[in-house]
Amino acid sequence: QVQLVQSGAEVKKPGASVKVSCKASGYTFTSYGISWVRQAPGQGLEWMGWISAYNGNTNYAQKLQGRVTMTTDTSTSTAYMELRSLRSDDTAVYYCARGVATIDYWGQGTLVTVSS
Amino acid sequence: QSALTQPASVSGSPGQSITISCTGTSSDVGSYNLVSWYQQHPGKAPKLMIYEVSKRPSGVSNRFSGSKSGNTASLTISGLQAEDEADYYCCSYAGSSTYYVFGTGTKVTVL
Repeated sequence: QVQLVQSGAEVKKPGASVKVSCKASGYTFTSYGISWVRQAPGQGLEWMGWISAYNGNTNYAQKLQGRVTMTTDTSTSTAYMELRSLRSDDTAVYYCARGVATIDYWGQGTLVTVSS
Repeated sequence: QSALTQPASVSGSPGQSITISCTGTSSDVGSYNLVSWYQQHPGKAPKLMIYEVSKRPSGVSNRFSGSKSGNTASLTISGLQAEDEADYYCCSYAGSSTYYVFGTGTKVTVL
């Protein structure tokens, strides 16, 4: 069965960076893109961007351009999302998910807390 | 790119039908048949309910249906059940510069 297992919760100080991992199993990793979506506490879903697991091509939300980098390691079927220059409003649950136009499987989410 | 507009809340009694709207613009919902709907229970990851406007993934109840007219997409839940109480989000492709935008979310309450 398809599974996306994310790394554990993180607490970071403003200005720091965080890197969240997402290990995929149960399907051919390079056949699907990986999307990243975040959800601030009590708020809605926000699309962050996606990466092709086939060739590494990326597309990022305009508001995150310059601060976010998405990568994959096809040897371990793992996707990564790094967010730099963290601010308090980056506090959120970060989800990885399979697919781009249609996101059909989601990871369990990783809580990233930014606090001084 | 602004979020797609959804009603904050919709409620209905068991067995009734409800419809959630998702209003965008001619740059997103109105231009592409790439609207999806997600159900999210508290503390859980979202679950895909509808994709490409009206297609239902395997395993999703046929009580859920989707449609689109102009710049507005809709999700209808018929035969409302207690387990349908959750937050629902629409999502649309918005072109090659913005890519994807989610709706503001709708809390469905089963009375």
